Amino acid sequence: AQSVTQLDSQVPVFEEAPVELRCNYSSSVSVYLFWYVQYPNQGLQLLLKYLSGSTLVKGINGFEAEFNKSQTSFHLRKPSVHISDTAEYFCAVRVLKAGNMLTFGGGTRLMVKP
Amino acid sequence: NAGVTQTPKFQVLKTGQSMTLQCAQDMNHEYMSWYRQDPGMGLRLIHYSVGAGITDQGEVPNGYNVSRSTTEDFPLRLLSAAPSQTSVYFCASSYLGGGPYNEQFFGPGTRLTVL
Repeated sequence: AQSVTQLDSQVPVFEEAPVELRCNYSSSVSVYLFWYVQYPNQGLQLLLKYLSGSTLVKGINGFEAEFNKSQTSFHLRKPSVHISDTAEYFCAVRVLKAGNMLTFGGGTRLMVKP
Repeated sequence: NAGVTQTPKFQVLKTGQSMTLQCAQDMNHEYMSWYRQDPGMGLRLIHYSVGAGITDQGEVPNGYNVSRSTTEDFPLRLLSAAPSQTSVYFCASSYLGGGPYNEQFFGPGTRLTVL
């Protein structure tokens, strides 16, 4: 069975600073990788996804993530955060050829301070 | 398109009461699922369905029932609520298949408190 670990439950950062949210996964088979964002009192919205090909994936709102197969990681980064990026971020995996089921990490709360 | 809708947005129950959380989608998606979100645990899959009349259990199915009589609707039933079921519940839907372009769309959530 696959699992997802988000290493930081909370990440405080000042506005315009860079940020990295860490995600590691374990799976014995190939997976698709996703990052979702949840703004306060809202549902989840897809930020970006890695399917195959280039290991650097660009998403919405200036976020990007890099897939590292040897380290089984899929860290999310943004070079300069804005107050509006304050939200909870979830990393998720889906096993190839195993249907639509997603396995989520515990989430990282990004708190951007002025 | 309304996307994925959930009702109610908030609900307070007493231990032992029953209720149904409603979920509907207007995108003609075959796949629908229910997750619960608890602090520090991310989202965990409760039940899912790959089409009308077909349902299956996810990671945490105990205490919950589902049915899928139409493509559009996927209600989640709590037969006898327990405080451990206090959580935020999300419904999601997508086209069927593990293909990379089958993005799951999430509803706005139902916040349930069981006293």
